[in-house]
Amino acid sequence: DSGVTQTPKHLITATGQRVTLRCSPRSGDLSVYWYQQSLDQGLQFLIQYYNGEERAKGNILERFSAQQFPDLHSELNLSSLELGDSALYFCASSTLAGEGDTQYFGPGTRLTVL
Amino acid sequence: AQSVTQPDIHITVSEGASLELRCNYSYGATPYLFWYVQSPGQGLQLLLKYFSGDTLVQGIKGFEAEFKRSQSSFNLRKPSVHWSDAAEYFCAVQSSGYSTLTFGKGTMLLVSP
Repeated sequence: DSGVTQTPKHLITATGQRVTLRCSPRSGDLSVYWYQQSLDQGLQFLIQYYNGEERAKGNILERFSAQQFPDLHSELNLSSLELGDSALYFCASSTLAGEGDTQYFGPGTRLTVL
Repeated sequence: AQSVTQPDIHITVSEGASLELRCNYSYGATPYLFWYVQSPGQGLQLLLKYFSGDTLVQGIKGFEAEFKRSQSSFNLRKPSVHWSDAAEYFCAVQSSGYSTLTFGKGTMLLVSP
């Protein structure tokens, strides 16, 4: 157990809908990362927050957004969902936000868009 | 931009045999390198990491990896594979000044009896 929790574990929804994925980092970690894992794209970095502020952005679609709250948990919002958004979404956390900082991953949320 | 290549999509190894999973990276400076393992239906678990110093690093579950700058490689090894090692293995690089990870496509390890 990494100490990173994600809810829900599974999510099934329809095209055009909006969903929210939740992540609680390890105790004491200030950084939260979101990754998407799909069969065709592999594991891709989406976005990082550090202590409530956006720190880095990767291949995140404009339909997706995220935030980190004062208690350091994070939410990833996916809207106008398309079939291609079906994937496993991982959250990871690390103590700080610099190079050499090790990321610990949660169990993931599997999103299925029908 | 940095990139990671894992040339083998699938590898099958007999239980008890040795294992080597290949990883090549593309990055200008000395990278920070990681190996993660993903068991079916699970998240990613850190096996080991290389930051600097000794180029042979030891990890959990009997795994080790060797950083070779001249070959831009960071191959993962295990002397004797167990059936429970069957999983997908990901190599990742972290670039200077950032903590985000760039992953390879992964290598699926199958263990035959």
